[in-house]
Amino acid sequence: RKEVEQDPGPFNVPEGATVAFNCTYSNSASQSFFWYRQDCRKEPKLLMSVYSSGNEDGRFTAQLNRASQYISLLIRDSKLSDSATYLCVVNKRGGADGLTFGKGTHLIIQP
Amino acid sequence: GAVVSQHPSWVICKSGTSVKIECRSLDFQATTMFWYRQFPKQSLMLMATSNEGSKATYEQGVEKDKFLINHASLTLSTLTVTSAHPEDSSFYICSAYGTSGIDEQFFGPGTRLTVL
Repeated sequence: RKEVEQDPGPFNVPEGATVAFNCTYSNSASQSFFWYRQDCRKEPKLLMSVYSSGNEDGRFTAQLNRASQYISLLIRDSKLSDSATYLCVVNKRGGADGLTFGKGTHLIIQP
Repeated sequence: GAVVSQHPSWVICKSGTSVKIECRSLDFQATTMFWYRQFPKQSLMLMATSNEGSKATYEQGVEKDKFLINHASLTLSTLTVTSAHPEDSSFYICSAYGTSGIDEQFFGPGTRLTVL
């Protein structure tokens, strides 16, 4: 079983729509959770950390369910610039530990 | 955010040659640097973790004699792919963690290696 599993997509959604991604992780010792964004042939960039209480950053909302080992990302009012691959990432100790990445979910926002 | 540079951004070499990739933290001291590799349509995979002044810790399945890592200063780590072969062709990305004041790894722009 992969450590972090995501639906690779692609998800094709119209501009302005709301889209949700999910991922599951296998290591119950994981303590830190993130969503990264990766554009084609570029390095990943941190989108947001994910906390047990759920957190929101503008149009983006992340949720964590430790019991189910499940993480979600919701994007509201999607923009063309949101087109990218979204990577679900976990590790044990925040920035000080190596990160375990999912393969990513490819999102295409259509005009 | 903190800035990490990588050099070169891309390299093409013949099979059997060695290639050195540099990773620098430009505006903070990187006590820990990480090296990742990403094959097409695959996830980034951690190859090794290096702390300044000590030997790197390699992930299972990564040959330490093939991928030499040096982290001799708080702003520079190098990855040398020795005797590269076509199966080593990949996107190599470093990240740095340290005194930026933010609990986050900052990624370099990556190096695309093609071995002919």
